[in-house]
Amino acid sequence: TQTVSQSDAHVTVFEGDSVELRCNYSYGGSIYLSWYIQHHGRGLQFLLKYYSGNPVVQGVNGFKAEFSKSDSSFHLRKASVHWSDSAVYFCAVRASSGSWQLIFGSGTQLTVMP
Amino acid sequence: ETAVFQTPNYHVTQVGNEVSFNCKQTLGHDTMYWYKQDSKKLLKIMFSYNNKQLIVNETVPRRFSPQSSDKAHLNLRIKSVEPEDSAVYLCASSSGHSGNTLYFGEGSRLIVV
Repeated sequence: TQTVSQSDAHVTVFEGDSVELRCNYSYGGSIYLSWYIQHHGRGLQFLLKYYSGNPVVQGVNGFKAEFSKSDSSFHLRKASVHWSDSAVYFCAVRASSGSWQLIFGSGTQLTVMP
Repeated sequence: ETAVFQTPNYHVTQVGNEVSFNCKQTLGHDTMYWYKQDSKKLLKIMFSYNNKQLIVNETVPRRFSPQSSDKAHLNLRIKSVEPEDSAVYLCASSSGHSGNTLYFGEGSRLIVV
């Protein structure tokens, strides 16, 4: 069974700062990893995903994530945040075979101060 | 741009009543889902529906049932609501089960009093 954890429930930074949102997973086989964003009162929106190949994947709005098999991680990063990046960010995993479920982490609330 | 449409976006009802939430997607996807998001933002998969095949999360109470007329629609019916059903219900769609790009609606908030 695949699991995903997001260790930081809240992250607060200032506009223009860089940010890293942490995601760790556990699963022994091939896995799909993705990040979603949820602005207040809205549904989730896809940011980026990784399955194989280049471990650094680029997403929308300057976000990128790096897969590390040795650390079982898929951290999300942005070099310079904007106030509009304030939202809840969810990491998600799905086993590549035999699983119909996309399992979401508990989310990280990112607050960008002006 | 929204392509997964949910109605109503907000509903208040009393314990024991029946509630239905509607979901329609215009993306041509063949798989649809319902997720429950609680007050702590935790997301739990409830159902998946693909090519008339329904997959149910075994933890979902039997008072919940999905209803589909075609692959573009997946409604959620709650037969007799309980206070713990208060949550936001999110509908999503994807192309097949194997990909992991889900497209979500804006959510339907249920408040049970």
